[in-house]
Amino acid sequence: QKEVEQNSGPLSVPEGAIASLNCTYSDRGSQSFFWYRQYSGKSPELIMSIYSNGDKEDGRFTAQLNKASQYVSLLIRDSQPSDSATYLCALLIQGAQKLVFGQGTRLTINP
Amino acid sequence: ETGVTQTPRHLVMGMTNKKSLKCEQHLGHNAMYWYKQSAKKPLELMFVYNFKEQTENNSVPSRFSPECPNSSHLFLHLHTLQPEDSALYLCASSQDQSSREKLFFGSGTQLSVL
Repeated sequence: QKEVEQNSGPLSVPEGAIASLNCTYSDRGSQSFFWYRQYSGKSPELIMSIYSNGDKEDGRFTAQLNKASQYVSLLIRDSQPSDSATYLCALLIQGAQKLVFGQGTRLTINP
Repeated sequence: ETGVTQTPRHLVMGMTNKKSLKCEQHLGHNAMYWYKQSAKKPLELMFVYNFKEQTENNSVPSRFSPECPNSSHLFLHLHTLQPEDSALYLCASSQDQSSREKLFFGSGTQLSVL
């Protein structure tokens, strides 16, 4: 089983709608979860981190964490074409201090 | 100057060539990393340096040889590569290796091995 699983997409969402990106993980001990955004031809950029169960909001972005079900998601409200990118889910494996990435979900926002 | 700078942006090399990738960070960080990003695959951590000392080598073939002369500079020396080594090579830094979740990435070197 992969440590971090994401649907590679592409995920197409109309402009103004909510984009929902999901990620599941296998390590039950993980406590720290991250979303990176990577524009085509650019480097990944950390956009959200979440450590506790529940929701964390930052502007149009909301990260959701459910440790019991071992999933983390990213919601993007009022999606804009500029949100089109690949979104990488990552988690920190405790003890090993190892940051593990998913393969990323390519998101396209259609005007 | 941007936080983490990588050169060159693109590199095409034959299997018998020797080349080097360079990374420089201007963030005052003490940990630096090499990652490999292949199409449809997750980012793979290759090497970790903390305060100039290599602390992790994730079973990387010896045809990849890292060098970290100081906390601001990181090199990846390449020799006798294989076509399957073609990928985007990303350098990253963090305050130190215990804060590796807050990585700052460079723009990467897109490497093609012919």
